[in-house]
Amino acid sequence: KAGVTQTPRYLIKTRGQQVTLSCSPISGHRSVSWYQQTPGQGLQFLFEYFSETQRNKGNFPGRFSGRQFSNSRSEMNVSTLELGDSALYLCASSLVAGEGNEQYFGPGTRLTVT
Amino acid sequence: QQQVKQSPQSLIVQKGGISIINCAYENTAFDYFPWYQQFPGKGPALLIAIRPDVSEKKEGRFTISFNKSAKQFSLHIMDSQPGDSATYFCAASKGYQLIWGAGTKLIIKP
Repeated sequence: KAGVTQTPRYLIKTRGQQVTLSCSPISGHRSVSWYQQTPGQGLQFLFEYFSETQRNKGNFPGRFSGRQFSNSRSEMNVSTLELGDSALYLCASSLVAGEGNEQYFGPGTRLTVT
Repeated sequence: QQQVKQSPQSLIVQKGGISIINCAYENTAFDYFPWYQQFPGKGPALLIAIRPDVSEKKEGRFTISFNKSAKQFSLHIMDSQPGDSATYFCAASKGYQLIWGAGTKLIIKP
């Protein structure tokens, strides 16, 4: 079974631009969560989607948004990029939301904002 | 209440030794405690997980010890190998959201 895939793997953007990251979960998994990883703040939860609905949201500004499609694929969008948004963005999928939370991570998208 | 405190920040262990990483939590509602292993340039990989109704879980060389009354849990890596060198994260959750420890960078010296 293929793992979680994320595209693109690397991205360089300038301040003020917007970016869209994509995540394809493991086949059969219906829950997708997004995390931001930085050296200073560690892993921080962004949001979680299940059956195309956002179920939970972390403490991030409204510039961070996401969605999930009927095939469980998910996208996250960051508008008006700031230097502090430079991070590794990780997507994790699980079979069912809230059920033991066995989450499987993709390799991440490394976003650099200049 | 939502924090998970992980220690040590970094750890150097000789090959064949036992690596021990500790985590403490405050929220007694947490009911799932996983450990993840992350290599540079990769996403975290689920290593082993435990629920509060058991005090220990072993998978190969990896063991989680769980102390519900002390609100602490730890990862033991037996017979540590250079290939175990990575960053390890503990986490805790109730439902959807994983609350993460800060991570421990483990180096196994040959």
